[in-house]
Amino acid sequence: TQLLEQSPQFLSIQEGENLTVYCNSSSVFSSLQWYRQEPGEGPVLLVTVVTGGEVKKLKRLTFQFGDARKDSSLHITAAQPGDTGLYLCAGQGLGSNYQLIWGAGTKLIIKP
Amino acid sequence: SAVISQKPSRDICQRGTSLTIQCQVDSQVTMMFWYRQQPGQSLTLIATANQGSEATYESGFVIDKFPISRPNLTFSTLTVSNMSPEDSSIYLCSVSLVPYEQYFGPGTRLTVT
Repeated sequence: TQLLEQSPQFLSIQEGENLTVYCNSSSVFSSLQWYRQEPGEGPVLLVTVVTGGEVKKLKRLTFQFGDARKDSSLHITAAQPGDTGLYLCAGQGLGSNYQLIWGAGTKLIIKP
Repeated sequence: SAVISQKPSRDICQRGTSLTIQCQVDSQVTMMFWYRQQPGQSLTLIATANQGSEATYESGFVIDKFPISRPNLTFSTLTVSNMSPEDSSIYLCSVSLVPYEQYFGPGTRLTVT
């Protein structure tokens, strides 16, 4: 069974600070997605990484897929209160087309 | 992307009753999923619903408790039957337009008293 370990589970920092969230596995994934969820809403897809070593940037957010496609990170530079939310990583297992394996989530609070 | 709506957005139900949650998509999709989520926590997949076939349930979820209908490519329902307080949760539907990306509805917050 493929698992995704996400850390930290909870992070509360001041506006302007930087942070990194990690997703790790002992298994290889075909692709990995990052989602953000705000209270009262469903998760919203932020990015998909597919190639080992791939780096994608979305404004102040930087996403990286490990060379071996077993891990990923999300780095936020100069965090803002609007970044507050639940961040979820999800992996597409090898041989799986549609089902995703979900990390436990990181609850992020950015204090003004 | 896809626009997904769910009804109801929230409900408070008495134990022993059933609630049917509707999920409507603005385009035709093959794969639909139903999830359960405790606030602030990760998602647990209940079942995968393909149009024209029986839903596929994950371990720990059974059709008698969570019957699913998928009458066409834009609509699905999930019924939570014979509810108990342990069924209190957020229920989310999602669709997959490409194999590895999912788009979610806003969720239904269910409280069972």
